[in-house]
Amino acid sequence: RKEVEQDPGPFNVPEGATVAFNCTYSNSASQSFFWYRQDCRKEPKLLMSVYSSGNEDGRFTAQLNRASQYISLLIRDSKLSDSATYLCVVTALDSNYQLIWGAGTKLIIKP
Amino acid sequence: GAVVSQHPSWVICKSGTSVKIECRSLDFQATTMFWYRQFPKQSLMLMATSNEGSKATYEQGVEKDKFLINHASLTLSTLTVTSAHPEDSSFYICSAHSGSYNEQFFGPGTRLTVL
Repeated sequence: RKEVEQDPGPFNVPEGATVAFNCTYSNSASQSFFWYRQDCRKEPKLLMSVYSSGNEDGRFTAQLNRASQYISLLIRDSKLSDSATYLCVVTALDSNYQLIWGAGTKLIIKP
Repeated sequence: GAVVSQHPSWVICKSGTSVKIECRSLDFQATTMFWYRQFPKQSLMLMATSNEGSKATYEQGVEKDKFLINHASLTLSTLTVTSAHPEDSSFYICSAHSGSYNEQFFGPGTRLTVL
């Protein structure tokens, strides 16, 4: 089983819709969680950290469910510019610096 | 946020040659830098962790004699792909950890194509 698993998609969603996707992680002791966004042929960029209490940043909401070992990302009122691959990231247990990456979920927003 | 540069952006080389990729933290000091490789439609795979002034720590399956890492200063780490082969063609990305921001910042990546 992979340490971090995501549905690769693609998710084809009309502009303005709400879309959500999950990511599961295998190690229950993992401490820090993030969502990154990666555009085609570009480096990943931090979208948001995921806190135990959940957090919201504009149209983006991230949730952590420790009991079920998954994190989620919800995008409201989707824009064409939201089209990208969204990567779920978990920190390694023995180092807060080392990141363990999911393979990403590809999102395509259609006009 | 902090800025990390990476050069070259892309490189095409013949099989058997060596290619050096530079990763620089422009406005902060990075005691730890990471080198990743990403094949199409796959996740980033950590190759090695580079600490300034010491030997890099390589992930399982990554040949240290093929992928030479030098982290000679707090703002520069280099990755040299020695005797490159077509299967080494990939997107190589570095990141630098900033203690001030407690975050990793990524370089723009280097696309290597080995013919």
